[in-house]
Amino acid sequence: GAGVSQSPRYKVAKRGQDVALRCDPISGHVSLFWYQQALGQGPEFLTYFQNEAQLDKSGLPSDRFFAERPEGSVSTLKIQRTQQEDSAVYLCASSSGGIGQKFYEQYFGPGTRLTVT
Amino acid sequence: KNQVEQSPQSLIILEGKNCTLQCNYTVSPFSNLRWYKQDTGRGPVSLTIMTFSENTKSNGRYTATLDADTKQSSLHITASQLSDSASYICVVSGKFGNEKLTFGTGTRLTIIP
Repeated sequence: GAGVSQSPRYKVAKRGQDVALRCDPISGHVSLFWYQQALGQGPEFLTYFQNEAQLDKSGLPSDRFFAERPEGSVSTLKIQRTQQEDSAVYLCASSSGGIGQKFYEQYFGPGTRLTVT
Repeated sequence: KNQVEQSPQSLIILEGKNCTLQCNYTVSPFSNLRWYKQDTGRGPVSLTIMTFSENTKSNGRYTATLDADTKQSSLHITASQLSDSASYICVVSGKFGNEKLTFGTGTRLTIIP
């Protein structure tokens, strides 16, 4: 595809349910980022992958959040036992460059809007 | 804590008018500063990227300026169009440039006919 895609676009979960959010980055992009965007706020960093390696997960808010990118392409963000405060838009971005290199543009997907009731 | 602050929080202007959005940051070390446009329900789209050695960069009707000494940036939009209605987010990147970005909360711009 031409850009970063995410699915589902909308997800409603009851408190306590587990959810899985998918990100398909631009083909060949080395780096993949997950961000959380609360209503009316800017995105906040969650985690970063370079290929299949998760190099930074310092932004994950709790151990209920888990991300993986097993083959270095598609990534999944999983949230266990969802809470109301998890309600937000989850954005995925990919980049052709890797850490430590000259900066590269990050291309964002449309996001998944998660609502926990 | 590294922060990026933007002003105004929201702005309404008439179609065809110019406007300037402001950004102050405390991120250190600093690698580059980016301005993104985010339409409602969409992901952010890059407008400009500037390193610390660049003072200004243009992209069509968008012109960004950067003063790395005072840690301030501005985004000037010329001859606004209805399609410019969106949130404009200032984003700062740390030392390596491709690591996690620090986002401002954005300026919500509304263009009215």
